[in-house]
Amino acid sequence: GIQVEQSPPDLILQEGANSTLRCNFSDSVNNLQWFHQNPWGQLINLFYIPSGTKQNGRLSATTVATERYSLLYISSSQTTDSGVYFCAVESELFQGGSEKLVFGKGTKLTVNP
Amino acid sequence: DVKVTQSSRYLVKRTGEKVFLECVQDMDHENMFWYRQDPGLGLRLIYFSYDVKMKEKGDIPEGYSVSREKKERFSLILESASTNQTSMYLCASSSQTPISNQPQHFGDGTRLSIL
Repeated sequence: GIQVEQSPPDLILQEGANSTLRCNFSDSVNNLQWFHQNPWGQLINLFYIPSGTKQNGRLSATTVATERYSLLYISSSQTTDSGVYFCAVESELFQGGSEKLVFGKGTKLTVNP
Repeated sequence: DVKVTQSSRYLVKRTGEKVFLECVQDMDHENMFWYRQDPGLGLRLIYFSYDVKMKEKGDIPEGYSVSREKKERFSLILESASTNQTSMYLCASSSQTPISNQPQHFGDGTRLSIL
């Protein structure tokens, strides 16, 4: 099956710094999502981005489907950005149009004050 | 906003017990999913359902079953709980479209400990 690799596995920043998280995938995908899991375990959708670039405040994401990678940019990081960031790709459809998401192992981000 | 509600945030059960984890969504979504999350392994799909009374196995269905009697509710059942089922369990839902392009929305998770 499709492989999803995220890098770096761990990242420590000072508040105000910028960062780039990377997601590589081994095969063509129908879609890609970025999630943030906060320290309480809640998994929040950040972006739904099969290709191109999207921005939401201090966060933006770019997916280059032809080269099989996606990048998540965090600018002017804040302590509330801490948590684990997951990339998940949709690689096949099941009966009824349900998509199957395959998750990477995540990047654990710690932003220190 | 989509609301996916899991019945418990924390749950402690004993080996051999039958355990039910409940998930309810309020957006009339057709698809519902159960994942487990373990350190170093990320999220792995246990079961999913694309319609009432329909279910499909995910990547790690062994030791689990599911029930979907109503569209808004999807239950995960541990028939005889074992210590290796101690984990974080996450439920998700999504809408079906002719072309699949709807994101999955997650509940807050249930941290299950089997003693």
